[in-house]
Amino acid sequence: EPEVTQTPSHQVTQMGQEVILRCVPISNHLYFYWYRQILGQKVEFLVSFYNNEISEKSEIFDDQFSVERPDGSNFTLKIRSTKLEDSAMYFCASSAGGQYTQYFGPGTRLTVL
Amino acid sequence: SQQGEEDPQALSIQEGENATMNCSYKTSINNLQWYRQNSGRGLVHLILIRSNEREKHSGRLRVTLDTSKKSSSLLITASRAADTASYFCATDRAGNNRKLIWGLGTSLAVNP
Repeated sequence: EPEVTQTPSHQVTQMGQEVILRCVPISNHLYFYWYRQILGQKVEFLVSFYNNEISEKSEIFDDQFSVERPDGSNFTLKIRSTKLEDSAMYFCASSAGGQYTQYFGPGTRLTVL
Repeated sequence: SQQGEEDPQALSIQEGENATMNCSYKTSINNLQWYRQNSGRGLVHLILIRSNEREKHSGRLRVTLDTSKKSSSLLITASRAADTASYFCATDRAGNNRKLIWGLGTSLAVNP
């Protein structure tokens, strides 16, 4: 069964460094998303992406964040200058056109020191 | 309180018993989805119920939706130790671009 994959599973970085989190959505899906979950807190929406552009973003998704679909398979989240409070589990998800079910990857645990 | 609030926050039952978790939300929705998360791991989709549906089944799962009360329930019948996980409801609001709004979840422990 097709699934969303994410790499790396765990990323440790120093405050102020740039990180790129990678995702490979399910191949025929058209909608892509990033969410994050700070330990012990709710899952929070960051951004949705459709037709090669951002369709919606949250207040969390400020100028330090960007997303890209550099080719037909990858979907990346870049954080330009990480802060301690960016430490969280980051989930990528995708959904098919005409369908609302979102399928999630296993997540990348980002630790900012 | 915020969109997608689950109760109880924690539930502990014996294997074989049924587990019921509830979710409430504030705004009109298109769909409500239930997800499971094993400790520190990914979010596994369980079931989606549309706003015009009242009940849906999938294996041992039964989901109900009451849009007049803005609430949903997830029933797991004949629970197993492997059902131990956190369960979240997530809603996408009517007219929005599919973003999901999540509750804090119910932590379910099924004791053998």
